[in-house]
Amino acid sequence: GAGVSQSPSNKVTEKGKDVELRCDPISGHTALYWYRQSLGQGLEFLIYFQGNSAPDKSGLPSDRFSAERTGGSVSTLTIQRTQQEDSAVYLCASSLGPGGPTNTEAFFGQGTRLTVV
Amino acid sequence: LAKTTQPISMDSYEGQEVNITCSHNNIATNDYITWYQQFPSQGPRFIIQGYKTKVTNEVASLFIPADRKSSTLSLPRVSLSDTAVYYCLVGDTGRRALTFGSGTRLQVQP
Repeated sequence: GAGVSQSPSNKVTEKGKDVELRCDPISGHTALYWYRQSLGQGLEFLIYFQGNSAPDKSGLPSDRFSAERTGGSVSTLTIQRTQQEDSAVYLCASSLGPGGPTNTEAFFGQGTRLTVV
Repeated sequence: LAKTTQPISMDSYEGQEVNITCSHNNIATNDYITWYQQFPSQGPRFIIQGYKTKVTNEVASLFIPADRKSSTLSLPRVSLSDTAVYYCLVGDTGRRALTFGSGTRLQVQP
């Protein structure tokens, strides 16, 4: 597609359930990022994938959070045993990856609004 | 990534020029300066990027002094639709993750 696509756009889940959020990056982009944004707050970095390198997981808030990126393309963010404090908008972005300045422009999806009830 | 400091909020009126300054005292030699704009209920959108001196595009200008310890985003003749949060980022994002600060909430009044 032309841009970063995220699904679902909205997700309501019960506390304790597992959820999977999907991100389809722009074709050819080797870098992929996940962020979380609570209402009225800034973006909280979660995880970063770059090509075949080991992902930077330093932003994951707990071991309930994990992410995969299959075939260097689609990524899935999984939250196990969801808690109410996990409610937020989860944003995915992609960029071309290492190189000159033009590779540092990241394109964001519209996000998945997760509500844990 | 180098830590950035920017004002929490700014107010302006339609037609005025708005300048948002970001401090990044620990910027590294390989770091670029990038600004993003975020509207409510949307993901951030790239505005402009620079390394030194001045960069201009159809949306904004970016002024970077010689020591690169700060940068100023300039929005000419703002309109109501420029009301958004503006984030300043510093880093070599091709090799490391983007880290967003708190951003500057710009409110444009009629």
